[in-house]
Amino acid sequence: SQKIEQNSEALNIQEGKTATLTCNYTNYSPAYLQWYRQDPGRGPVFLLLIRENEKEKRKERLKVTFDTTLKQSLFHITASQPADSATYLCALDIDNAGNMLTFGGGTRLMVKP
Amino acid sequence: DARVTQTPRHKVTEMGQEVTMRCQPILGHNTVFWYRQTMMQGLELLAYFRNRAPLDDSGMPKDRFSAEMPDATLATLKIQPSEPRDSAVYFCASGSRTGWNTGELFFGEGSRLTVL
Repeated sequence: SQKIEQNSEALNIQEGKTATLTCNYTNYSPAYLQWYRQDPGRGPVFLLLIRENEKEKRKERLKVTFDTTLKQSLFHITASQPADSATYLCALDIDNAGNMLTFGGGTRLMVKP
Repeated sequence: DARVTQTPRHKVTEMGQEVTMRCQPILGHNTVFWYRQTMMQGLELLAYFRNRAPLDDSGMPKDRFSAEMPDATLATLKIQPSEPRDSAVYFCASGSRTGWNTGELFFGEGSRLTVL
């Protein structure tokens, strides 16, 4: 079956360290992948989009990589802060036609002071 | 700031009642998505509209759910009759997609539905 997998266990790290979250997918060949942040009781907020021909994309303290051979995206937050604590979701357009943006289950990140 | 507006924010109803959730997408956006989020299933795609036309609703239980977009400023998701298993947070999201411009999705704050 087609899946988008993220680590369902919470990731706990110390402030100042780099957080690395993983998104794995099977049976898709997505043209792009997106990452969102979701805080409790709020809707997801877009962070970054990376296309299949891009290996890496950065935005301030965020970095995303996309390995279409491994079918994996890594999401990094450098110099993490307690305010980065949230659930992070990856999403794929599974039919490559802009019609079905499908989300992984999300990984909860906790940054401790 | 432009944002997606959803109403109601919270709804408690009894099994068998009709529930209608409304969404006002961001002006100028041509795509609207409806998602349902639960702890067990995460974010599930229910329906998708582009330029007000329904393009996909394969994730939606057809017997009780219906999604419409009567005009560019309003999308609705209706459940009739509601069941306890429909309890979830329902999100509307809008975006601007033309050709290969995939764009980001802007989500509303969600409608939390509890069916007793």
